[in-house]
Amino acid sequence: GQNIDQPTEMTATEGAIVQINCTYQTSGFNGLFWYQQHAGEAPTFLSYNVLDGLEEKGRFSSFLSRSKGYSYLLLKELQMKDSASYLCAVLDSNYQLIWGAGTKLIIKP
Amino acid sequence: EADIYQTPRYLVIGTGKKITLECSQTMGHDKMYWYQQDPGMELHLIHYSYGVNSTEKGDLSSESTVSRIRTEHFPLTLESARPSHTSQYLCASSDPGEAGELFFGEGSRLTVL
Repeated sequence: GQNIDQPTEMTATEGAIVQINCTYQTSGFNGLFWYQQHAGEAPTFLSYNVLDGLEEKGRFSSFLSRSKGYSYLLLKELQMKDSASYLCAVLDSNYQLIWGAGTKLIIKP
Repeated sequence: EADIYQTPRYLVIGTGKKITLECSQTMGHDKMYWYQQDPGMELHLIHYSYGVNSTEKGDLSSESTVSRIRTEHFPLTLESARPSHTSQYLCASSDPGEAGELFFGEGSRLTVL
């Protein structure tokens, strides 16, 4: 079966760095995506990786290792507004997104 | 900013009622989706469409139907609502060349009593 695993919840301090991990087992791979979802709101697209390595976008970076079925989202200089759930999703061989349950990130002052 | 709209945003109805959740997008996207999401849980694909007159079932589609008569419009209908349908319903669209980058509407939160 297809499976995406990520931690349920993480806590970090304002100004710090946090890394949210995601491991996946899917039928085929056409890219890995990270979305941010604030409570009660819809997900918004953050990043996309299809090749191994690090993609940087401001305070956010995303890493992919296809051989290990592993990705992480790195958030630097955390701000209170970064408190949200972070969803990992993989585009499978049918070009359908397989979603993880999300990691709820709590930022403390 | 994405131009995809859902109505109603909130709905409380009784068991057995028929309801239609509306979704419209002005981006000209061919692919559209309906997802169901419970708090703290992953998104489950209910239906999707590749374009006009195309509809496909996802994981949780058996109790709902969709139609795609126009590119911009993708309504979801529950023929007979049940308490188990209480959830958040999210509509999304994507450009054909960007299959994993979805633009979501603000969601319709349904409560069935």
